[in-house]
Amino acid sequence: QVQLVQSGAEVKKPGASVKVSCKASGYTFTTYAIHWVRQAPGQRLEWMGWIIAGIGNTKYSQNLQGRVSITRDTSASTAYMELSSLRSEDTAVYYCARSYNTAYDYWGQGTLVTVSS
Amino acid sequence: EIVMTQSPATLSVSPGERATLSCRASQSVNSLAWYQQKPGQAPRLLIFAASTRATGIPARFSGSGSGTEFTLTISSLQSEDFAIYYCQQNSNWPPTFGQGTKVEIK
Repeated sequence: QVQLVQSGAEVKKPGASVKVSCKASGYTFTTYAIHWVRQAPGQRLEWMGWIIAGIGNTKYSQNLQGRVSITRDTSASTAYMELSSLRSEDTAVYYCARSYNTAYDYWGQGTLVTVSS
Repeated sequence: EIVMTQSPATLSVSPGERATLSCRASQSVNSLAWYQQKPGQAPRLLIFAASTRATGIPARFSGSGSGTEFTLTISSLQSEDFAIYYCQQNSNWPPTFGQGTKVEIK
């Protein structure tokens, strides 16, 4: 069955970077795109960016441009999201999700990133 | 970017009753999805392309609408349906989500 398994919770200081992984299984990794979506406490879901896993093309939210980078390792069927220059407002649960027909059909379990001094 | 507005913010419904959730886009969109999220869990895809049920989603969930006005209907609420529901447009960049409708037990 399709699964996306994310790395564990992180606590970071303001100004630091965080890198979250998303390991895919149960399907051919390069056939689908992977999106990253975050959810700050009490807030709506926010799209961050995506990567076309087969060719590596990426696109990012303008709100995060310059701070977010999405990469993938096809040999490991894993996508990565790195967010730099962290601030308290980046405290959120970060999700990876598989792209399907203009929606996201499978999601990772979420990774809590806490930014605190 | 397109702003998605959901109403109501909270919907109190008795088990077995019908629930109707609304989602409005600030401009016309070609595709709309609905997700269900329970506390501590990732969102779950219910509906895509406005009216197509995702794999394994019960028939009591249905989606309708086009352009700027969309509706998710749950025909007879079951205990497991009490959750937060989000709409999402993915036809105009960037993809955007509504603020959610919480369906709670009356």
